[in-house]
Amino acid sequence: ETGVTQTPRHLVMGMTNKKSLKCEQHLGHNAMYWYKQSAKKPLELMFVYNFKEQTENNSVPSRFSPECPNSSHLFLHLHTLQPEDSALYLCASSPAAVSGIYNEQFFGPGTRLTVL
Amino acid sequence: AQSVTQLDSQVPVFEEAPVELRCNYSSSVSVYLFWYVQYPNQGLQLLLKYLSGSTLVKGINGFEAEFNKSQTSFHLRKPSVHISDTAEYFCAQGGNTGKLIFGQGTTLQVKP
Repeated sequence: ETGVTQTPRHLVMGMTNKKSLKCEQHLGHNAMYWYKQSAKKPLELMFVYNFKEQTENNSVPSRFSPECPNSSHLFLHLHTLQPEDSALYLCASSPAAVSGIYNEQFFGPGTRLTVL
Repeated sequence: AQSVTQLDSQVPVFEEAPVELRCNYSSSVSVYLFWYVQYPNQGLQLLLKYLSGSTLVKGINGFEAEFNKSQTSFHLRKPSVHISDTAEYFCAQGGNTGKLIFGQGTTLQVKP
């Protein structure tokens, strides 16, 4: 596998379910990101992890819980979601999330989440 | 705060016509600029990037962009588009905060 992979690619869940999204990067990067992309809306940055430490949480509801066990893996744990949480969830990685550093991001294909 | 503005939400164009997608960024000490493309039901793919040097940047699929510091612009151009170029295009800026700031996106609709 190369680049950034995400599983599953599609997920349908009820509001009472608990599920997890997985992201893995094979690029040797140290920063990983979760974005939410809703229809007709701009990309929303949710979380940033830099060297396994969470450095940004953009006021994301607690029903979304990220986990970064190492620099190559990032999870997004989901519970008690709402229908408005239905969206494409994108994972990205970059060399590092450090101010002033060249920080091109590489994206995975996304997980299309539908909450019923 | 840094911001990136894509001036057009939708750009319809006929096949083989030229196209320009406009992007304005925030002035900053260090400026890294990117254009990404997103095809339906896929993630974002890098088209091109400006880090320093020549102001005209060439990317994949025949796209190019010009960095204009005085106008704080980084417009994307292609001299002749194909149906397969139909997609969402995102301009992004990096540098100050360690993360990318994305524009709202421009939908390019290429008509036969």
